[in-house]
Amino acid sequence: KQEVTQIPAALSVPEGENLVLNCSFTDSAIYNLQWFRQDPGKGLTSLLLIQSSQREQTSGRLNASLDKSSGRSTLYIAASQPGDSATYLCAVRYGGATNKLIFGTGTLLAVQP
Amino acid sequence: GAVVSQHPSRVICKSGTSVKIECRSLDFQATTMFWYRQFPKQSLMLMATSNEGSKATYEQGVEKDKFLINHASLTLSTLTVTSAHPEDSSFYICSAFRPTTGVKREQYFGPGTRLTVT
Repeated sequence: KQEVTQIPAALSVPEGENLVLNCSFTDSAIYNLQWFRQDPGKGLTSLLLIQSSQREQTSGRLNASLDKSSGRSTLYIAASQPGDSATYLCAVRYGGATNKLIFGTGTLLAVQP
Repeated sequence: GAVVSQHPSRVICKSGTSVKIECRSLDFQATTMFWYRQFPKQSLMLMATSNEGSKATYEQGVEKDKFLINHASLTLSTLTVTSAHPEDSSFYICSAFRPTTGVKREQYFGPGTRLTVT
């Protein structure tokens, strides 16, 4: 069964800290992996997408890495800000570009001012 | 701006009634849309894949007679929760692929619909 797990489930850090969110997946034959942000009661905002052939992607203060062989991805957030507070979801896609996404359990991040 | 819209954003209905949720792709045609459900503090679970002009493909464990999906046009998919019960209360999110150049596809998510069944 293809499963995606995220650790930790919740994280609280003071403003300015660098932090790492973890994602693991049981089937390493992924097509791509995507990180999303979800604010309370809202839809999803795509942050970064990593193709299976890539090792990392960067956007501003965000950096996502992918290690297919170990079934892991990390999302690194530099110099965290209170506005980064949200739930972060990792999702993997198998088989093709328009196939369904399998979502992880999410990490609820709170950045304290 | 948003490229996928949902209506309504919130709906409260009485147990036993049916409620329809619309998902629209704005300024692009979507041959495939996905419907997800999210319970409080849980992740998104795919319910079904909606294909324009054909029957939806439901995930294992999702009752197709209870969650009716109609992809009537290339810009509209609807999810109807029939004979709703309190356990159907959830956050429903739709998603569509926006075609870009070549084979690249971008997936966009709607803002979600909060359904509360009393």
